[in-house]
Amino acid sequence: GESVGLHLPTLSVQEGDNSIINCAYSNSASDYFIWYKQESGKGPQFIIDIRSNMDKRQGQRVTVLLNKTVKHLSLQIAATQPGDSAVYFCAENSGGSNYKLTFGKGTLLTVNP
Amino acid sequence: KAGVTQTPRYLIKTRGQQVTLSCSPISGHRSVSWYQQTPGQGLQFLFEYFSETQRNKGNFPGRFSGRQFSNSRSEMNVSTLELGDSALYLCASSLAETANEKLFFGSGTQLSVL
Repeated sequence: GESVGLHLPTLSVQEGDNSIINCAYSNSASDYFIWYKQESGKGPQFIIDIRSNMDKRQGQRVTVLLNKTVKHLSLQIAATQPGDSAVYFCAENSGGSNYKLTFGKGTLLTVNP
Repeated sequence: KAGVTQTPRYLIKTRGQQVTLSCSPISGHRSVSWYQQTPGQGLQFLFEYFSETQRNKGNFPGRFSGRQFSNSRSEMNVSTLELGDSALYLCASSLAETANEKLFFGSGTQLSVL
């Protein structure tokens, strides 16, 4: 069945370092993927998305990599800042008439000053 | 442009009661989705509406229902509340006429069932 899982439930990095958050997905039919950031007391905030016809997409300080061969997704955050501390979720959508996202459990990123 | 607005922000109910949560999507967005977030289960899809029609429904009991109005605003209702219904209920909106579009979330309604 559909599932999205994260390799690391917690990640602690030093300010200024690069962060990499990983995600595995099991539905080979998924063709759209999103990363969200959720801070305490807030709803998930869109970071970046990627469609299955791409293997890399860059935003401001963030890069998402998609490896369809091994069904793996990663979020790279450059020069991590204390404001990046949050829970990060990956989500997938299998497209077609499936109007829903399947979310992973989340990774807690802590940035140490 | 205002974001997704959910009311109320916090709610305390007792078992057996019912509750109605409200969501106003971003202006121009016609799709509204609802998710339940708990520490144990994470984010779970409840249902999605587009132009007042439910297009998809998650694996939740019939006590969970929703609707969308002609102005795209949405409500969800939970009847005969159980302790396990305590959760953060998140509403998200998108332009989506197709499935693969980003969702924009509100801050949620924190429901506590005593």
